[in-house]
Amino acid sequence: GESVGLHLPTLSVQEGDNSIINCAYSNSASDYFIWYKQESGKGPQFIIDIRSNMDKRQGQRVTVLLNKTVKHLSLQIAATQPGDSAVYFCAETPGGGTSYGKLTFGQGTILTVHP
Amino acid sequence: SAVISQKPSRDICQRGTSLTIQCQVDSQVTMMFWYRQQPGQSLTLIATANQGSEATYESGFVIDKFPISRPNLTFSTLTVSNMSPEDSSIYLCSVDPLVGTDTQYFGPGTRLTVL
Repeated sequence: GESVGLHLPTLSVQEGDNSIINCAYSNSASDYFIWYKQESGKGPQFIIDIRSNMDKRQGQRVTVLLNKTVKHLSLQIAATQPGDSAVYFCAETPGGGTSYGKLTFGQGTILTVHP
Repeated sequence: SAVISQKPSRDICQRGTSLTIQCQVDSQVTMMFWYRQQPGQSLTLIATANQGSEATYESGFVIDKFPISRPNLTFSTLTVSNMSPEDSSIYLCSVDPLVGTDTQYFGPGTRLTVL
C-alpha cells in the first residue's frame, strides 16, 4: 500500500549546525503533511505543517520544504540545540472525505545534537 | 492546540488480561483517534473514535480486540483485550480540534508492557 518513509534513520549534528531531515512519500494524492517531534517518554509534538499547494513554509527555526514532483519532504532546523534531540516523524494524509484523519507516519529519524 | 491527558501513563499486565486506557481532552473536539506505537517503531492508526456511534477501525484492527468508547466530545477509552506480549506498545490518543484542518495533536501516551 501507500507508505511514507525516511532516507536516514539517524542524524548526528553539532550544536549550532543546521539539520536537515528528509522524508519520501509514495501517495500522489497526499494533500497535507505534518512534522512531529517525539522526545523520549512523550507523545509526538506538532512542529510544522504544509499543504500540497505550497512548496515552503517557515516557522520558528524550522522550515518545511515540499517537492511534489519527486514526492519529497524535508524539515530544516536552524542553529540546532541539544533540546532538539528527539525522533522526528513526517506524516501525510490525502485529507478530506473518507481519508479524513488518516495520518500515515514515516519510520522516524533520530536526531542527536552534541554540545 | 488542545491539552490531552491519558491514564494510566504506563502499566505492566499479565497475559490474557485486559486494560482500559482513558483519554481526556480539555475542550470539545469532533475527532479523536487511537494509535499504536510498537517498540522502536512509528505510529499506526488503530481507529477513529466516533461520538455516539461505533468506532471506525483500520485494516488489521478489530473491535473485539480493541473496543473503543466515545461517550462525549471530551473523552474516549481504548481497551486492549486478552493481551499477549505482542501487545506491548505505546498507545496514543490524538485529536483534531480544528474541524477541517487535518491537524492532529497527541496525548502523552500509555506505555503498556505485557508479560
